[in-house]
Amino acid sequence: KQEVTQIPAALSVPEGENLVLNCSFTDSAIYNLQWFRQDPGKGLTSLLLIQSSQREQTSGRLNASLDKSSGRSTLYIAASQPGDSATYLCAVRKDAGGTSYGKLTFGQGTILTVHP
Amino acid sequence: DAGVIQSPRHEVTEMGQEVTLRCKPISGHNSLFWYRQTMMRGLELLIYFNNNVPIDDSGMPEDRFSAKMPNASFSTLKIQPSEPRDSAVYFCASSFWAGISTNEKLFFGSGTQLSVL
Repeated sequence: KQEVTQIPAALSVPEGENLVLNCSFTDSAIYNLQWFRQDPGKGLTSLLLIQSSQREQTSGRLNASLDKSSGRSTLYIAASQPGDSATYLCAVRKDAGGTSYGKLTFGQGTILTVHP
Repeated sequence: DAGVIQSPRHEVTEMGQEVTLRCKPISGHNSLFWYRQTMMRGLELLIYFNNNVPIDDSGMPEDRFSAKMPNASFSTLKIQPSEPRDSAVYFCASSFWAGISTNEKLFFGSGTQLSVL
């Protein structure tokens, strides 16, 4: 059974700092990995999707890397801003042929607070 | 597009009552997922559909939970009878599944906050 773990559970940083969020998964047979953002009282928004054949994806100040063989992914946020404060979740899709239909397994998330 | 639409946003009910949560996926999407989120257990997948057909309901906690998708634009999650431990945020999400070689993104609704007293 796939298990996804995110470290740290919570992180508080001053504005402007670069930071790294970590995600690990137990079964390396994944098809892709997504990073999501969740604001309080809201649903999840997909930030980045990395295919299993890729090493990293970038979107603005966000960079996600993937080391499939070691079961790890990191989300790097450059020059953090108070507006980045949210919960960040990673999720993996199992490489289960045509039977998964996009089913994702989520980590517990990292609660990020960026203070001015 | 309006995104995934869930209703109601909040539901407060008493133990033993029937609760029905509703979801309208993004038009054109063919996969629909129901998740439950709690502080203790995080996001749990309850059930998912592809082309309106239930594919995997192994996450449904008990027979008190049931889900239907009568057509491509509507799904319901029903709890009967409800219990206090069912209190959680219930999310619906949809995506377009085009086969095993695609990389579809998952789009979430805003969730239904359920409180069972």
